[in-house]
Amino acid sequence: SQTIHQWPATLVQPVGSPLSLECTVEGTSNPNLYWYRQAAGRGLQLLFYSVGIGQISSEVPQNLSASRPQDRQFILSSKKLLLSDSGFYLCAAAQGIIAKNIQYFGAGTRLSVL
Amino acid sequence: GNSVTQMEGPVTLSEEAFLTINCTYTATGYPSLFWYVQYPGEGLQLLLKATKADDKGSNKGFEATYRKETTSFHLEKGSVQVSDSAVYFCALSDLQGAQKLVFGQGTRLTINP
Repeated sequence: SQTIHQWPATLVQPVGSPLSLECTVEGTSNPNLYWYRQAAGRGLQLLFYSVGIGQISSEVPQNLSASRPQDRQFILSSKKLLLSDSGFYLCAAAQGIIAKNIQYFGAGTRLSVL
Repeated sequence: GNSVTQMEGPVTLSEEAFLTINCTYTATGYPSLFWYVQYPGEGLQLLLKATKADDKGSNKGFEATYRKETTSFHLEKGSVQVSDSAVYFCALSDLQGAQKLVFGQGTRLTINP
């Protein structure tokens, strides 16, 4: 089975500072990878997904970007954080020909922008 | 586009009560349906799934049946425990391309002893 690692677990950053959140996947190869954000008291919003190295699709225009430098590494970045970027960020991975629609989630990063 | 609508929360029940959390969906084609659970401070865990009409997903005493005629996937449990307190998300996957998940807004469940 696969394991999704996310770090850091919590992060407090000032407005205007840069951001880099990392997600790595163990136990599978060529997964689909996803970044979600969960704002306080709300559901999950898909931010980015990737079906292969260097292939990034954005779901919503925003202050964030994503990159996939290696098969099992997915990075979420920002050059200048906004207050509205606060939230709980979740990385997910899906793998397997038949089971590719089952997504497994990391433990998340709680970001507070002050 | 695809969408998922969940029962408004929060829901508060006593231990051993019967639970239903409603979920309906709008989708083209035949999506797979899921329930995920999020315990406090944690990421999401897959609770159960169903991939075609009339399938019943089950896990840890929870059940949900894929009802194509009513476009529903309601979550049920006969006797809830305090440890079931969590946020529950209904979701669908359209099996196309990147097979993205579309989530409902989540339902916070609290079980009192």
